Amino acid sequence: GDSVTQMEGPVTLSEEAFLTINCTYTATGYPSLFWYVQYPGEGLQLLLKATKADDKGSNKGFEATYRKETTSFHLEKGSVQVSDSAVYFCALMEYGGSQGNLIFGKGTKLSVKP
Amino acid sequence: DTGVSQDPRHKITKRGQNVTFRCDPISEHNRLYWYRQTLGQGPEFLTYFQNEAQLEKSRLLSDRFSAERPKGSFSTLEIQRTEQGDSAMYLCAAGKGGSYNEQFFGPGTRLTVL
Repeated sequence: GDSVTQMEGPVTLSEEAFLTINCTYTATGYPSLFWYVQYPGEGLQLLLKATKADDKGSNKGFEATYRKETTSFHLEKGSVQVSDSAVYFCALMEYGGSQGNLIFGKGTKLSVKP
Repeated sequence: DTGVSQDPRHKITKRGQNVTFRCDPISEHNRLYWYRQTLGQGPEFLTYFQNEAQLEKSRLLSDRFSAERPKGSFSTLEIQRTEQGDSAMYLCAAGKGGSYNEQFFGPGTRLTVL
C-alpha cells in the first residue's frame, strides 16, 4: 500500500541555519503531497502542498518540490527561527481516492536554539 | 483556528470502560475524518464520513469502535471496553473535498487507559 518515509529526528539547529527534512513516498497512483506542522500544544496545521509533479509548495519561508522521478518531497527552509520548533509531518493523499484520507510519515521533531 | 473543535481534550479511563469523543466541524465541511496518533508516530486513518454517511473504515477500527455523524454536522467516536492499547491521541479532521481535499484538524482528544 501507499506509504511515506521521512527522516528521523530529533533535528536540532541553531537559529538562521538551513533546514532540510527528507521525505520519500510510495504510491500506486499520482498522489497529492503535503507537509503538516504541529506546534507544541496545538493541532496539526497544513504548511504547504503540491498536487502534481514539479509543483513547488511554499509557505512561511518553507518550500518543497514534488519530484516524481525520485518520489520525494523534501522540506527546506533557508533560515530557521526559534518559532519554527515543532514536529513536521509529510503526508500523501492518493489522487482520485474516493475517501481522500491522508497517509502520514512518522514525523520529525525540529528544535531551533537561539 | 481551524474551526474544528474536539471534546474532551483529555480523557483518563480505566480498562474496560466505555468512552465517547465528540468532534464539531464548521457547517461547510461535509467531509469528516477520524485519525489516531500514538506516541512517536504519524496520524493513522480510522474512518471517513461524507455528510452523515460513513463511507470508509480502516481495518484499525475494531468492533469495539463505532463512529456516527447523525445529521452530517458533529461526529462522535465511541470506544467500548477500552484496552491499554487504545491509549492515543484521537484526531478529527474536516474539509469540503475538492481537487486536493484540504483537511483542517482539531486539537485532538488524548485518551489514557489505565
